[in-house]
Amino acid sequence: SQTIHQWPATLVQPVGSPLSLECTVEGTSNPNLYWYRQAAGRGLQLLFYSVGIGQISSEVPQNLSASRPQDRQFILSSKKLLLSDSGFYLCAWGDNNYGYTFGSGTRLTVV
Amino acid sequence: QQQVKQSPQSLIVQKGGISIINCAYENTAFDYFPWYQQFPGKGPALLIAIRPDVSEKKEGRFTISFNKSAKQFSLHIMDSQPGDSATYFCAARTSGSRLTFGEGTQLTVNP
Repeated sequence: SQTIHQWPATLVQPVGSPLSLECTVEGTSNPNLYWYRQAAGRGLQLLFYSVGIGQISSEVPQNLSASRPQDRQFILSSKKLLLSDSGFYLCAWGDNNYGYTFGSGTRLTVV
Repeated sequence: QQQVKQSPQSLIVQKGGISIINCAYENTAFDYFPWYQQFPGKGPALLIAIRPDVSEKKEGRFTISFNKSAKQFSLHIMDSQPGDSATYFCAARTSGSRLTFGEGTQLTVNP
């Protein structure tokens, strides 16, 4: 069966520090991968999605970037975090016909 | 045309009551309509989904009602329990496209 792993679960980082969040998927090949951000009590904002290795589409211009170095690995990065980057970050995978499976999320607090 | 409008934003129901969350869409090409349940600090999880060839789908206490002509679909939670307290998201997609999510409904079931 397919599983998705996301880490770390929580992260407190100072303003100006770099960020790297990792997501890996098991049990499937060539998945579509997604990074979402969720502000407290708000909806799901799509940040990036990828349909294959090295293929990244950005939905919102921002301080973040994404990479897909391997088929089942998706990384969210920042060179210098801003206070506004705080939020709940969710990785998800899906195919072209059904719903997404979300990871357990990373709570990022920038201080 | 890609939007999915969800209401209400928040909902308070007494234990044993019926919770109803509504979603409306414009894109008549949408052919998959899932609902997600998200508990605090967790990623959304697929709850139930429907395709437009049926008007209703029931899984336990959860029912999706689908009105193709009105371009609306709703989630009904029968005999609501405090453990159902969560944020619920509707979504929609066409085959091969990304999911479009509603803004979410925060459900509180009082004991």
